[in-house]
Amino acid sequence: GESVGLHLPTLSVQEGDNSIINCAYSNSASDYFIWYKQESGKGPQFIIDIRSNMDKRQGQRVTVLLNKTVKHLSLQIAATQPGDSAVYFCAENGGEGGSNFGNEKLTFGTGTRLTIIP
Amino acid sequence: GAVVSQHPSRVICKSGTSVKIECRSLDFQATTMFWYRQFPKKSLMLMATSNEGSKATYEQGVEKDKFLINHASLTLSTLTVTSAHPEDSSFYICSARGRQGPNTEAFFGQGTRLTVV
Repeated sequence: GESVGLHLPTLSVQEGDNSIINCAYSNSASDYFIWYKQESGKGPQFIIDIRSNMDKRQGQRVTVLLNKTVKHLSLQIAATQPGDSAVYFCAENGGEGGSNFGNEKLTFGTGTRLTIIP
Repeated sequence: GAVVSQHPSRVICKSGTSVKIECRSLDFQATTMFWYRQFPKKSLMLMATSNEGSKATYEQGVEKDKFLINHASLTLSTLTVTSAHPEDSSFYICSARGRQGPNTEAFFGQGTRLTVV
């Protein structure tokens, strides 16, 4: 079936360096993607999203890149801080249920644990 | 961002009993709510999707008679784990989406850690 996956399950980065987390998706009909951050024992927290009509979107210290040709998504975190340590999930929306209003479910990738080394 | 409140955050129950988890959207109308289950060090697995006033749509392999979902209002959805067993122990998370449309972010609750003893 359709799936969203991640290349690296763990990633360690020196504080202050940049980090890149990758995600591959297989549903070519997906038209909306979100990156979430999840800290231990908490629910996912929205980081940034991107629609399929865009290749790049920037937020505060974060950038999401979308390559629809190879169905690849990445999250770049600049100048990492200890508080960035968490598990990061990519999620895709779309492909099933047509365009039911507000009803399309999010499919989550495997997750990458990012550890910032002080 | 919008706030979704989930309650309780932790619950311990005996085998055979039922547990109800509430998910509330505090500052927006949640036309759609999603329930996920998460095992340790694993990703979120969608259990069901519910629209206000409609029956929930369950994912394949999820027992609808065991995991009862009610979405009675635009701000409240509940998940009841019936006749709980130790294998139901898990982290349950709800999320909600408003009227803005399908390609908008879903806001997540804090999660509920269920332990069945």
